[in-house]
Amino acid sequence: GIQVEQSPPDLILQEGANSTLRCNFSDSVNNLQWFHQNPWGQLINLFYIPSGTKQNGRLSATTVATERYSLLYISSSQTTDSGVYFCASNQGAQKLVFGQGTRLTINP
Amino acid sequence: EAGVAQSPRYKIIEKRQSVAFWCNPISGHATLYWYQQILGQGPKLLIQFQNNGVVDDSQLPKDRFSAERLKGVDSTLKIQPAKLEDSAVYLCASRQWGGLGNTQYFGPGTRLTVL
Repeated sequence: GIQVEQSPPDLILQEGANSTLRCNFSDSVNNLQWFHQNPWGQLINLFYIPSGTKQNGRLSATTVATERYSLLYISSSQTTDSGVYFCASNQGAQKLVFGQGTRLTINP
Repeated sequence: EAGVAQSPRYKIIEKRQSVAFWCNPISGHATLYWYQQILGQGPKLLIQFQNNGVVDDSQLPKDRFSAERLKGVDSTLKIQPAKLEDSAVYLCASRQWGGLGNTQYFGPGTRLTVL
């Protein structure tokens, strides 16, 4: 089955900094999603982005499907951005496979 | 619109006891998923329903876990008997239809502690 790897596993930044999170996947996919899991455990959809680039406020994501990776950019980080960021992907109707996550800590 | 609802939010039981979790998906969502998330890991799919039929239960430990989705709406996940390694957050998610595309929406989860 498909493998999903995320890097870095942990990232500690000061408020206001920018960050880039990476997601590599082992095979071609037709679904790539980014989620934010807040400190209370709620998984929030950030982007559905099987290819191309999308932006939502301070967050943007780019997926290069031919090279099997996706990037999540967070600009001007705020303490509320802290939490774990997951990417997940699947092929066809197969189950969604999650990476291990990147734990982001934004210090004031 | 209302999100995915789950209950209870927290549950503490002793090993060998039974426990059940409930999920109500977003209205109109035909596909429902149960995930297990062990601390420090990403969610792992346990079972996927399309309406009231099972699409994928390949990672469900069927000797102790069971799930049903009667009438294609609400779903329950049961563990009987529980083991220490079942301590995890159990997440329910739903999607509008089971084909390609469309995002999954997650509930707040049930945090299970087995002592």
